Amino acid sequence: AQSVDQPDAHVTLYEGASLELRCSYSYSAAPYLFWYVQYPGQSLQFLLKYITGDAVVKGTKGFEAEFRKSNSSFNLKKSPAHWSDSAKYFCALVNQGGSAKLIFGEGTKLTVSS
Amino acid sequence: NSKVIQTPRYLVKGQGQKAKMRCIPEKGHPVVFWYQQNKNNEFKFLINFQNQEVLQQIDMTEKRFSAECPSNSPCSLEIQSSEAGDSALYLCASSRGQNTLYFGAGTRLSVL
Repeated sequence: AQSVDQPDAHVTLYEGASLELRCSYSYSAAPYLFWYVQYPGQSLQFLLKYITGDAVVKGTKGFEAEFRKSNSSFNLKKSPAHWSDSAKYFCALVNQGGSAKLIFGEGTKLTVSS
Repeated sequence: NSKVIQTPRYLVKGQGQKAKMRCIPEKGHPVVFWYQQNKNNEFKFLINFQNQEVLQQIDMTEKRFSAECPSNSPCSLEIQSSEAGDSALYLCASSRGQNTLYFGAGTRLSVL
């Protein structure tokens, strides 16, 4: 069965530090992977996606993510972090079996202190 | 800013009442999804459409939930008889069909 795991429910760091949010997935075929961000009281905003090609993909707001097939991971990175990055981040996998629905991880709440 | 428009932003209903929410997908996006995000931030896929046709829906929606995406009208999601457990953020998303979903601001339903 397809699944996405975000092992860190909370990540806290100081402004200026490097951030890395972990995501691992389970999928039998080549995965389509996404990161979304949800600010308090708001909806989900698309950050970036990996479909094929270069393992490192760049997205909006200065974020990038690295796809590693060897350990089924798709970690989100940014350096330096800014206080405005504080939000909840969701990793997701597209179920390519017809309906193309997103399967989300549990989310990681990021707090960046100034 | 999202170009997926959801109304209303907030909806308060009593148990057993009907709750209806609407979504206008981004122009040129033929695929529409509905998700339910509960208070634990868990996402539950409800239903999706391509143009006016249902692609997939979960069993739950076949009982009290109904949804449609008529041509030239907003898509809608309706709960016939609301229950306390339906209280959640309902998210509509649209896509060109190339896998990236763009989400609306959501309708927050509170069932008292």
